[in-house]
Amino acid sequence: AQSVTQLGSHVSVSEGALVLLRCNYSSSVPPYLFWYVQYPNQGLQLLLKYTSAATLVKGINGFEAEFKKSETSFHLTKPSAHMSDAAEYFCAVSDRETSGSRLTFGEGTQLTVNP
Amino acid sequence: EAGVAQSPRYKIIEKRQSVAFWCNPISGHATLYWYQQILGQGPKLLIQFQNNGVVDDSQLPKDRFSAERLKGVDSTLKIQPAKLEDSAVYLCASSLGTVYNEQFFGPGTRLTVL
Repeated sequence: AQSVTQLGSHVSVSEGALVLLRCNYSSSVPPYLFWYVQYPNQGLQLLLKYTSAATLVKGINGFEAEFKKSETSFHLTKPSAHMSDAAEYFCAVSDRETSGSRLTFGEGTQLTVNP
Repeated sequence: EAGVAQSPRYKIIEKRQSVAFWCNPISGHATLYWYQQILGQGPKLLIQFQNNGVVDDSQLPKDRFSAERLKGVDSTLKIQPAKLEDSAVYLCASSLGTVYNEQFFGPGTRLTVL
């Protein structure tokens, strides 16, 4: 069964500092991987996705993530945090071969950006 | 382009009562999903429709939850009777098809069961 583990339920950074949100996956086949962001009282919005093309994926709002098969990781980064980045971030995996487009989400990481 | 619409946005009921949620997906999206998001957790898929057929309902508690998507467009999710542990945000999402396409999420319905 596929799963994702997000390390750190809460991450706090200063404005302008590097953002690093960690995600490790478990999948028996090459997965699709995603990062979503959720602002308070809103639905989820796709930041970026990995679907077996380039291992370094660039997304919206200056975020990017690198797929590392050897480490089974898909960490999300942003060079310089902005106050508007404060939100909850979810990593998700899809087993492309057996479950169609079902997404399995991690527990989420709440990002706080301090002025 | 209009996004995924859900109603109501908030609902408070007492345990053992019934409740229904409505979702209207993005026009032209064949696949519709219902997720349950319990506070502090990631969303969990309850049911997936392709047009008006069920693709995956393996995680739907069928003794109390039901869902339908008549005419392959909008959908309703019902809970009958509700339990305290059903308190959560119910998210609807849609995508163009089952081969991976981006899922677009609605704002959700926050259910509180007292």
